[in-house]
Amino acid sequence: NAGVTQTPKFQVLKTGQSMTLQCAQDMNHEYMSWYRQDPGMGLRLIHYSVGAGITDQGEVPNGYNVSRSTTEDFPLRLLSAAPSQTSVYFCASSYLGKQFFGPGTRLTVL
Amino acid sequence: SQQGEEDPQALSIQEGENATMNCSYKTSINNLQWYRQNSGRGLVHLILIRSNEREKHSGRLRVTLDTSKKSSSLLITASRAADTASYFCATAVTDKLIFGTGTRLQVFP
Repeated sequence: NAGVTQTPKFQVLKTGQSMTLQCAQDMNHEYMSWYRQDPGMGLRLIHYSVGAGITDQGEVPNGYNVSRSTTEDFPLRLLSAAPSQTSVYFCASSYLGKQFFGPGTRLTVL
Repeated sequence: SQQGEEDPQALSIQEGENATMNCSYKTSINNLQWYRQNSGRGLVHLILIRSNEREKHSGRLRVTLDTSKKSSSLLITASRAADTASYFCATAVTDKLIFGTGTRLQVFP
């Protein structure tokens, strides 16, 4: 099993550009989530999904969209990147409450 | 604001000593979990304690939960240099898992 995979590992964007961070899991987990991690702030929940076709907002959803068309994939879209979205983004899937994290995407917005 | 706050923010100890980290939270929870993060890596699940449990052990880890005080502690016994990492508590509230700000642990050989 590959577990939770994220692409790309690194990305640099200019203000106003849009992009999609990819996340996939091969463990058939229903629950998936996206977090961002900023220095000194811990992880903050952006969006989560309890199954295909169902998504909901977390603590910091503004500026991000998600969709869940399959159990395996949970992409995160930045609509119009801003410098405040410079962060490390982690995707996770969950089984029996335990989260399995991907390796992260380091995003810089100039 | 963060649901969970860890204390201390940073902790430095010698190998062989015990390390204790505390977590306080604000609302009722379904369970509380502890995760570890090595620098630049994703988080790894360590232990989960349910709201009706008071203590749980896993190898050198011991977790306690006091729901009346809305607090938890993680004890790592006989620490090793390889335990150097950041440790996060996370509280399960309805269907969300909310993380605290973390404790950076440094274990010197």
